[in-house]
Formats: sequence, structure tokens, C-alpha cells
Amino acid sequence: QAQVVQSGAELKNPGASVRVSCKVSPNTLRTLYIHWVRQTPGQGPEWMGGFDPDDDATVYAQRYQDRVTMTDDTSADTAYLEVRSLRHDDTAVYYCVVLGTYTRRKYYFQYWGQGTLVTVSP
Amino acid sequence: SSELTQDPAVSVALGQTVTITCQGDSLISHYASWYQQKPGQAPTLVIFGYNKRPSGIPDRFSASYSENTASLTISGAQAEDEADYYCNSPDISGSPWLFGGGTKLTVL
Repeated sequence: QAQVVQSGAELKNPGASVRVSCKVSPNTLRTLYIHWVRQTPGQGPEWMGGFDPDDDATVYAQRYQDRVTMTDDTSADTAYLEVRSLRHDDTAVYYCVVLGTYTRRKYYFQYWGQGTLVTVSP
Repeated sequence: SSELTQDPAVSVALGQTVTITCQGDSLISHYASWYQQKPGQAPTLVIFGYNKRPSGIPDRFSASYSENTASLTISGAQAEDEADYYCNSPDISGSPWLFGGGTKLTVL
């Protein structure tokens, strides 16, 4: 079972950037497909983007593609989410999620990190 | 892009059976996954694929499909099943992944 541990809560001013990290089990990041999902208070989850194994590329939800970058450091078994130009309505819990596959080209969100609360407030 | 629609709230008497539904065009060609979320916790997977349960999920959880609707059934609901439940599937266009708005399950 994959271990997924995220960085701690952040408080940011509007207009700033935030980077959330997601550390996985040692020597496994190369074999994992990481996605990011956010959840604003009282709302359902919202997919932000992640690595698409069928396209062999990172894909972003259209509404985030100009402000968000997802990267990883395989030597540190850590994935990163950067969100720029933060607004008050970016206040949310951000989850790192490991994509699972049950058959060819069929996926699901298998393991979730504990979440990172990002609060945007002056 | 398309959407996944869930009833906001459902209640069930302890030990009875309850079904939570998720409707959307993407479900005509994709199976839904289902996630349980308790207050202050991350979502956890309860169903994936046609009707597969991860290790540790009780067999009282099951899934079924009809046209553009996916259903999660809890047979013999327990107090610990009280939670928010979200469905999820790939989209047929645009953003590749969708989530439903969630159903709050109350066990009476």
C-alpha cells in the first residue's frame, strides 16, 4: 500500500504563491501516477490535474492550467503542486492522490494523502 | 464538460439498505468510483471498476449501473457508514476527471 504524506498547512496573502509537497513511499515515485484534487469548505472534491499515463504527460483542468504547475523529484520521492496568484477563493484543502489501475487504460483515485489546508487571507 | 449529479442527502435506519445514485453522461461509457469522507478526513475509496472493493472495505458496499446512472448500495447500514459519499469518473470531453457534488448519508 502506497504511503502518501503531504506538507503542513499554509497561510498565504492574496497574490502570493504556494507549493504543497507530497512524499510517497521510498523508491516508488517513478512507478506512480500522481494527481491533485482540491476541496473548498463545504464542497465536493475538484480535480486539478495530474499525470496521464495514456498521454505520458501532465494534464491540467482548464480552469487551473494558467496558475498551476505540477512537478516531481524522483530522487526525493516527492511530488509538488504550485499554485500562483492566490485568491481568497483558493482557500481549500489540497489532496495528493495516487492513481490506481484495474485494467488497461482504466483508472481510479486509489490512495489519498491526508490533505494540506491552504488559507488565503491578508 | 459534463457533470455528475448526486442527491444532497439520504437517510437510512440502522441495519437497513440504502442506495446512493450518481447520474451523468460520462457514466454511459465509464464506470464510477465511489469515495467515503468523514468529517475532517480525506476521502477513502470504497468502490472502483465495475464493482470492486479495496482491501478492508466491507462487502455490504456494492455498485450497480443502469444507462447513465451509477448506484452505490449499502446493505445493512452501520453507524460508522454515516459520511459524505462522492462518485467520480473520467469525463467524455474537456477535463478528464469529474466528481459528483456528494451525498450526505445519515444513519438513524
